[in-house]
Amino acid sequence: DAGVIQSPRHEVTEMGQEVTLRCKPISGHDYLFWYRQTMMRGLELLIYFNNNVPIDDSGMPEDRFSAKMPNASFSTLKIQPSEPRDSAVYFCASSAPGANVLTFGAGSRLTVL
Amino acid sequence: QKEVEQNSGPLSVPEGAIASLNCTYSDRGSQSFFWYRQYSGKSPELIMSIYSNGDKEDGRFTAQLNKASQYVSLLIRDSQPSDSATYLCAVKGNDMRFGAGTRLTVKP
Repeated sequence: DAGVIQSPRHEVTEMGQEVTLRCKPISGHDYLFWYRQTMMRGLELLIYFNNNVPIDDSGMPEDRFSAKMPNASFSTLKIQPSEPRDSAVYFCASSAPGANVLTFGAGSRLTVL
Repeated sequence: QKEVEQNSGPLSVPEGAIASLNCTYSDRGSQSFFWYRQYSGKSPELIMSIYSNGDKEDGRFTAQLNKASQYVSLLIRDSQPSDSATYLCAVKGNDMRFGAGTRLTVKP
């Protein structure tokens, strides 16, 4: 099992540009979470899906952020337009049916100049 | 009030000592509690889960849960330099919320 796969691992972009982060959860996992981690705010829950359906997006900071999960094996987190304060590490995590344990991807480090 | 709070640290202990990490949570309906370890530049990884009041031991790690006090702790016995990392408390209610983490340094 390859684990949770995120891409890109590093992204450097300029303010105003669109950023798309990608996640492939572990096969068979039915929950998918997107988190953002910064030194100031720690690990913040942005949105989570169950069986590809968004359940709670109350953590999404602004309308500039959007997330989709078109199928069980793929999710995207999009920021448009990006701002310097969006600079953070974005983690995707998934969990198996009936399980509470999250398995995290390696993260995507975003730097917005 | 933050939903999951941890002692901010950083915490420094000598090798071989006991490290004590604490966490409180606000949602009384929470049922599942976890400790994750995160090495610098890496992703969080699960080290302990606890669901019932009392203690749960796994090797050098002991998790303690007191639902009445809304309190979770992690004890690391015989601390090793390889235990140096940030420890994240996680609480599951409807979703999974994390504390800000406590950075632990174990000095040889």
